[in-house]
Amino acid sequence: GAVVSQHPSRVICKSGTSVKIECRSLDFQATTMFWYRQFPKQSLMLMATSNEGSKATYEQGVEKDKFLINHASLTLSTLTVTSAHPEDSSFYICSPSGGPYNEQFFGPGTRLTVL
Amino acid sequence: KQEVTQIPAALSVPEGENLVLNCSFTDSAIYNLQWFRQDPGKGLTSLLLIQSSQREQTSGRLNASLDKSSGRSTLYIAASQPGDSATYLCAVSPNSGAGSYQLTFGKGTKLSVIP
Repeated sequence: GAVVSQHPSRVICKSGTSVKIECRSLDFQATTMFWYRQFPKQSLMLMATSNEGSKATYEQGVEKDKFLINHASLTLSTLTVTSAHPEDSSFYICSPSGGPYNEQFFGPGTRLTVL
Repeated sequence: KQEVTQIPAALSVPEGENLVLNCSFTDSAIYNLQWFRQDPGKGLTSLLLIQSSQREQTSGRLNASLDKSSGRSTLYIAASQPGDSATYLCAVSPNSGAGSYQLTFGKGTKLSVIP
């Protein structure tokens, strides 16, 4: 299957700081990147969809100015949580699309804890 | 809006037992259905993908079925092993188009296989 990396795997930060999460599609060009988050004991919820070279589309209830997504290349997308607050603590996971696979693959996820 | 429900939320079985996990979805207009495994604090591992035109898929001890018209899928695990202990997630994608790979997830079934 597809090889997807995410960095960092875990981050702890103080409230008010910004955190950048990188997602790399290592074996195919991801024309589309999906970003999900998962709160404890909850489903994965789609946050936003980005297409390479264009602005991301955000799901209802997700603040675009708080969760900045950059998809400048076909192998790298970044999610920046700006001015993070404790309620942003969650598991963030990316999923690239556009390769030769019918199934979706996911990165290993980033556990964000905001103190 | 698509909703995915998984029953039971948690399941504990003795090693060697066969088991069935259930998934239901409210909108039968799906492109495909995918079963994933998630280990604690980890990303998602794709187990099986069933296209909307298919009825079932098999991989080793796993068999997934799809009844699109009734909005149901089952994941059958034969001869369960302690290593099967994980949370199993069901996800559906909408009809083919721009959002074909955008997934809606259930909350998962947490499986514990007791040695």
